[in-house]
Amino acid sequence: AQSVTQPDIHITVSEGASLELRCNYSYGATPYLFWYVQSPGQGLQLLLKYFSGDTLVQGIKGFEAEFKRSQSSFNLRKPSVHWSDAAEYFCAVGAGSGGYNKLIFGAGTRLAVHP
Amino acid sequence: NAGVTQTPKFQVLKTGQSMTLQCAQDMNHNSMYWYRQDPGMGLRLIYYSASEGTTDKGEVPNGYNVSRLNKREFSLRLESAAPSQTSVYFCASRGTGANTEAFFGQGTRLTVV
Repeated sequence: AQSVTQPDIHITVSEGASLELRCNYSYGATPYLFWYVQSPGQGLQLLLKYFSGDTLVQGIKGFEAEFKRSQSSFNLRKPSVHWSDAAEYFCAVGAGSGGYNKLIFGAGTRLAVHP
Repeated sequence: NAGVTQTPKFQVLKTGQSMTLQCAQDMNHNSMYWYRQDPGMGLRLIYYSASEGTTDKGEVPNGYNVSRLNKREFSLRLESAAPSQTSVYFCASRGTGANTEAFFGQGTRLTVV
């Protein structure tokens, strides 16, 4: 069965520091991968997605992610974190028999940013 | 452009009561989803509907039923609420295609006492 693992429940970084959030997936076929961000009390917003082509994808708010098939990973990165990036981040895989209708999420990583 | 609209935003139920969470989308999407979000567990898929007239179980369907009333609306029903169903519920919709983005509602915070 498909699954997504986000090993880090909580990460704290200083403003201006670089960030990497880890995501590992389990899926037998070509995965369709997403990163979403959730600000407190809000719904989820798409940061970026990967489905084919260049393994380094760019997203909104200065985020990027790299797909590594050999490691079954899709880690999210940002070179310099801003205080407004404090939020919860979710990795997801689009999967399902006969296609891809299921969208399965990881448990999330909560990011705190120190001034 | 409303996107995905969920009602109500907050609800308190007593154990054993029933209720229906409503969700509507105006983006002409085929797929719709119901998730629950609990601390430390991320979003877990309850049910999804790939198209009008079809529904399928997700990871945690027990205690819930759904109805895809038409292409726009996808409701979630709790027949006999339990404290374990205290959670934040999110509805989402998505277009056709594995690479399409899901759009989320603002959530319903449900407390069962």
